[in-house]
Amino acid sequence: RKEVEQDPGPFNVPEGATVAFNCTYSNSASQSFFWYRQDCRKEPKLLMSVYSSGNEDGRFTAQLNRASQYISLLIRDSKLSDSATYLCVVKRPGGGNKLTFGTGTQLKVEL
Amino acid sequence: NAGVTQTPKFQVLKTGQSMTLQCAQDMNHEYMSWYRQDPGMGLRLIHYSVGAGITDQGEVPNGYNVSRSTTEDFPLRLLSAAPSQTSVYFCASSRDQNTEAFFGQGTRLTVV
Repeated sequence: RKEVEQDPGPFNVPEGATVAFNCTYSNSASQSFFWYRQDCRKEPKLLMSVYSSGNEDGRFTAQLNRASQYISLLIRDSKLSDSATYLCVVKRPGGGNKLTFGTGTQLKVEL
Repeated sequence: NAGVTQTPKFQVLKTGQSMTLQCAQDMNHEYMSWYRQDPGMGLRLIHYSVGAGITDQGEVPNGYNVSRSTTEDFPLRLLSAAPSQTSVYFCASSRDQNTEAFFGQGTRLTVV
């Protein structure tokens, strides 16, 4: 079983739609959780951290369920510019900023 | 505000050749890491460092060496390139172990 699992998609949605991505992780001792965005042939960039109480940043909402080892990302009012691959990222226990990445979920927002 | 700079951006090697991928950051970050990204797989950690003079192995370290003589630089060495090392390599840095990781633009390496 992969340490971090995501649905690879692609998710093709019309502009203005609401879309949700899910992610599960296997190590219950994982400490920090993030969503990164990666555009085609570019480096990953932090979209948002995920906190236990859930958090929102504009059109983006992230949720964490430690009991179910489940992370989600909700995008409201999708824009064409949201088209990208969204990476679920979990920090491993122990020293160093050792991150485990999901394979990513591809989003395509269409007119 | 350069952030994390990787060189070269593209490289083609012949099997058995050696080379060094360069990574430098100007944010005074203690933590630096190297990842590789292959189709259908998430980024995988090769080596990491928690400060100058300290390095450790990640999940796929075989065939790679690193050193960290300064806070700014974290080069990755391929000792004898193999086709299995064809990949996109990303260097990352962070202020500490729980904060955002900043990535370089990547090095696309092809081993023939």
